[in-house]
Amino acid sequence: EAGVAQSPRYKIIEKRQSVAFWCNPISGHATLYWYQQILGQGPKLLIQFQNNGVVDDSQLPKDRFSAERLKGVDSTLKIQPAKLEDSAVYLCASSLWPNLAGVSYNEQFFGPGTRLTVL
Amino acid sequence: SQELEQSPQSLIVQEGKNLTINCTSSKTLYGLYWYKQKYGEGLIFLMMLQKGGEEKSHEKITAKLDEKKQQSSLHITASQPSHAGIYLCGADVGSGYALNFGKGTSLLVTP
Repeated sequence: EAGVAQSPRYKIIEKRQSVAFWCNPISGHATLYWYQQILGQGPKLLIQFQNNGVVDDSQLPKDRFSAERLKGVDSTLKIQPAKLEDSAVYLCASSLWPNLAGVSYNEQFFGPGTRLTVL
Repeated sequence: SQELEQSPQSLIVQEGKNLTINCTSSKTLYGLYWYKQKYGEGLIFLMMLQKGGEEKSHEKITAKLDEKKQQSSLHITASQPSHAGIYLCGADVGSGYALNFGKGTSLLVTP
């Protein structure tokens, strides 16, 4: 079974530039999460989708970050314009929820992440 | 909001030694996940605990959730270099919702 795919793996940009990250979740996973992990910190949720609807975007800096999952499958996260403090690893995860098929917990499967450096 | 504190922040152990990592929550835990992260990679699921007093093991890693459900521990027996990485605990904040993670414990196993 293929895992969560993310691209690019690394990106270096200058502040005020824009950048986009792509995520393809595991086939059949209805829920997709984007997390931001700053060096030395745990991942922090940016946005959660169920199919193509937004479940939680309360921590997404909407003045500069946007995300979409138009067909309920793959997703794109964009930053425009980027700031120095956006340097982080952006992790995409997916899960079967709400279709857990008898499993009692919601295991999230993570992609390898995109490491963004803003200069 | 729920805060998760992990201790220690970092750990260096000699191969073959046992070690314990703790995760303490500011609120009752309804589900606690342990993940491992290697540098440059995503998170790998280790195990999940839901019930007070629950204990699960996978290979040489054992995790427990205390009876009061505000603390979990991860114990590694006879550590190996392959155990090196960052261990993260994540709290389940609601059915299907994203996890609230601690800052992680960085583990290095020396020969």
